[in-house]
Amino acid sequence: GAVVSQHPSRVICKSGTSVKIECRSLDFQATTMFWYRQFPKQSLMLMATSNEGSKATYEQGVEKDKFLINHASLTLSTLTVTSAHPEDSSFYICSATRSGSPLSGANVLTFGAGSRLTVL
Amino acid sequence: LAKTTQPISMDSYEGQEVNITCSHNNIATNDYITWYQQFPSQGPRFIIQGYKTKVTNEVASLFIPADRKSSTLSLPRVSLSDTAVYYCLVGEEDDYKLSFGAGTTVTVRA
Repeated sequence: GAVVSQHPSRVICKSGTSVKIECRSLDFQATTMFWYRQFPKQSLMLMATSNEGSKATYEQGVEKDKFLINHASLTLSTLTVTSAHPEDSSFYICSATRSGSPLSGANVLTFGAGSRLTVL
Repeated sequence: LAKTTQPISMDSYEGQEVNITCSHNNIATNDYITWYQQFPSQGPRFIIQGYKTKVTNEVASLFIPADRKSSTLSLPRVSLSDTAVYYCLVGEEDDYKLSFGAGTTVTVRA
């Protein structure tokens, strides 16, 4: 089945530094990837939609200069949290869909295991 | 994007059947209904997907009435390892935006 690998699973950094999280589709090509953020005891919040070869589409309230998304190939999307601060500490999750809408027919989202970011 | 409503939490015991109903009154003609399961500190995992009537796989069943304004995820004979948050997602065919609702926290006790 479809596998999405997310790395690193945990990262601790100092305030002001940048952190990059990678999301890879291992056995399929992902034309679209999604990035979510999840705070403790809360639901997933969609941050942005990443399309291969084009700029990401950010949800309202998400700073694109703060959360840089790059989807340079059909198997890799990266999220860079720039100049991280303690309030950026959260659980970040990516997901990928094979093509078209993930809710069209048999297409479903495959999620990575998530990355726990702690900013000191 | 069809909004969904689910119960916040449900408690059950091992061996019982758990049924979680999701309301989606504004579901569109081309929308499918998909359920995901999430354990703490993990990404969600696909459980089941359906369009109408009933769908069954090795882990769950999904019941969808004719009007499709709701759906019920049925987990047969739950075990402690089924304790998780369950999300119901409904969306338009060409809409890439997926918003997760609050989900239902299912707690299975011994």
